[in-house]
Amino acid sequence: GQNIDQPTEMTATEGAIVQINCTYQTSGFNGLFWYQQHAGEAPTFLSYNVLDGLEEKGRFSSFLSRSKGYSYLLLKELQMKDSASYLCASYDSNYQLIWGAGTKLIIKP
Amino acid sequence: DAMVIQNPRYQVTQFGKPVTLSCSQTLNHNVMYWYQQKSSQAPKLLFHYYDKDFNNEADTPDNFQSRRPNTSFCFLDIRSPGLGDAAMYLCATSRDGPSASTDTQYFGPGTRLTVL
Repeated sequence: GQNIDQPTEMTATEGAIVQINCTYQTSGFNGLFWYQQHAGEAPTFLSYNVLDGLEEKGRFSSFLSRSKGYSYLLLKELQMKDSASYLCASYDSNYQLIWGAGTKLIIKP
Repeated sequence: DAMVIQNPRYQVTQFGKPVTLSCSQTLNHNVMYWYQQKSSQAPKLLFHYYDKDFNNEADTPDNFQSRRPNTSFCFLDIRSPGLGDAAMYLCATSRDGPSASTDTQYFGPGTRLTVL
């Protein structure tokens, strides 16, 4: 079956760095997305990776290893507004978007 | 600003009373999606339209229907809401559709449905 795994919840301190991991098992692979979702709001697009390596975008970076079926989202200089759920989603060979359940990130002062 | 708009943001209905949720977009995207998301769960795709082409997910209950009268608007009709249908309903759009590997989905703010 197709599956996306990510931790349910993580806690970090304001100003610190946190890495949210995601592993995927899909029939084929056509790219991996990270979305941010604040409580009660819609997901907003953060990043897309289809090639191996690190993509940096300001305080947020996303990494992909296709051979390992693994991605992570790295958040630097954490701010209180970064408290949200972070969803990993991957396109399978049929371009169906398979979603993880999200990682709830709690930022403490 | 180009955007995806959903109305209403909060909808309360009674058990069994039909309800319609609406979504509009100013992005001129070809594809519109409806997702159901329950608390702490991944969004679950109900169906999507590629232009006028309707694509239903195999496990979407018959209770859920959709209409797309034009490029800009898409509606989700729940014919007889049950208590289990209480959820956040998310509308999303994408430019090129599932065949384009880099196609990003952009979400509206969602409609939170309560069933009494």
